[in-house]
Amino acid sequence: KQEVTQIPAALSVPEGENLVLNCSFTDSAIYNLQWFRQDPGKGLTSLLLIQSSQREQTSGRLNASLDKSSGRSTLYIAASQPGDSATYLCAVQGAQKLVFGQGTRLTINP
Amino acid sequence: EAQVTQNPRYLITVTGKKLTVTCSQNMNHEYMSWYRQDPGLGLRQIYYSMNVEVTDKGDVPEGYKVSRKEKRNFPLILESPSPNQTSLYFCASRGQGRILNTEAFFGQGTRLTVV
Repeated sequence: KQEVTQIPAALSVPEGENLVLNCSFTDSAIYNLQWFRQDPGKGLTSLLLIQSSQREQTSGRLNASLDKSSGRSTLYIAASQPGDSATYLCAVQGAQKLVFGQGTRLTINP
Repeated sequence: EAQVTQNPRYLITVTGKKLTVTCSQNMNHEYMSWYRQDPGLGLRQIYYSMNVEVTDKGDVPEGYKVSRKEKRNFPLILESPSPNQTSLYFCASRGQGRILNTEAFFGQGTRLTVV
């Protein structure tokens, strides 16, 4: 059974810092990995999709990497801003569903 | 604009009163699914549909029904809601049912409270 773990559960940093969020999964047989952002009480916004054959994807200040063999992904956020405050979820695509981690709650302090 | 639309966004109901949460997507996606999100439990899949008239149970299907009569719509039906179904519900869709490496899109969520 696929399990996805995100560390840390919460993170608070001052504005302007670069930061890394971690995601690990137990079964390397995945089709892709997706990072989402969720604002309190709101929906999930897709940030980056990494196919299983890819090593990384970039979008603006965000860079996500994937090491399928070791079951790890990282989301790098450069020059963090208060507007980046949200919960970040990673999810791996299996045969029938996405399996989600519990998320990292990120707070960027002005 | 490509989107997944859920209605209603918020709903308070009483135990046992049947309700339907609608989900519609405008991307011609074959695959649609429903998740619920609960504190400490994360997001769990309720039901999914690989295409029209093809549905299957996810991890937590008890107390829910779905139907897929048209490609764009995938309603979630609670025949007799109970307080343990109080949750935040999400509908999702992605491109091709049997091609599993496509991006998933999520609706805005439906906050359901059953009293």
